[in-house]
Amino acid sequence: EPEVTQTPSHQVTQMGQEVILRCVPISNHLYFYWYRQILGQKVEFLVSFYNNEISEKSEIFDDQFSVERPDGSNFTLKIRSTKLEDSAMYFCASSGGRGLNTEAFFGQGTRLTVV
Amino acid sequence: GIQVEQSPPDLILQEGANSTLRCNFSDSVNNLQWFHQNPWGQLINLFYIPSGTKQNGRLSATTVATERYSLLYISSSQTTDSGVYFCAVNGGSQGNLIFGKGTKLSVKP
Repeated sequence: EPEVTQTPSHQVTQMGQEVILRCVPISNHLYFYWYRQILGQKVEFLVSFYNNEISEKSEIFDDQFSVERPDGSNFTLKIRSTKLEDSAMYFCASSGGRGLNTEAFFGQGTRLTVV
Repeated sequence: GIQVEQSPPDLILQEGANSTLRCNFSDSVNNLQWFHQNPWGQLINLFYIPSGTKQNGRLSATTVATERYSLLYISSSQTTDSGVYFCAVNGGSQGNLIFGKGTKLSVKP
């Protein structure tokens, strides 16, 4: 069964460092998303990406965040200068094999710890 | 924006018991999904159910879109059912999901 894969599963980084989280969405999907979940809290939307550009972003997605689809399979989230409060589980998701508002599938997550 | 409320926030069951989890949402939606977050943090798709009723083994779900709620039924619960159950909806034009705060389920042997 097709799945969304994320790497790495865990990342520990020093405050102020740049991190890149990687995702391979399901191959025929057209819409890609990043979400984050701070420990013990609900899952929050960060950004959606369609047709090689950001289609929507939340207030959380400020200038320190960026997304890119560098090739035909990968989708990345970059955090330029990490802060302690960026520590969270980051989920990549994809949907839209048959259009918008179809079922979204999530990767297993990357647990980011900023120290 | 759309508000999503889940109840109860916490639920403790004995193995074998049945349960009903509820999700209320504040506006019409295009998509509604139920997820189970396992102890490792993974979000497992349970149901894609913007309306109607679906069943998968011991789990079933019903969404009454006109009344803005969805129910997740777990029958004959097992310890492996423990975790957090999230309801998520999309009412906008871009497909992003809005999650509720979840119901934390603990099934005791």
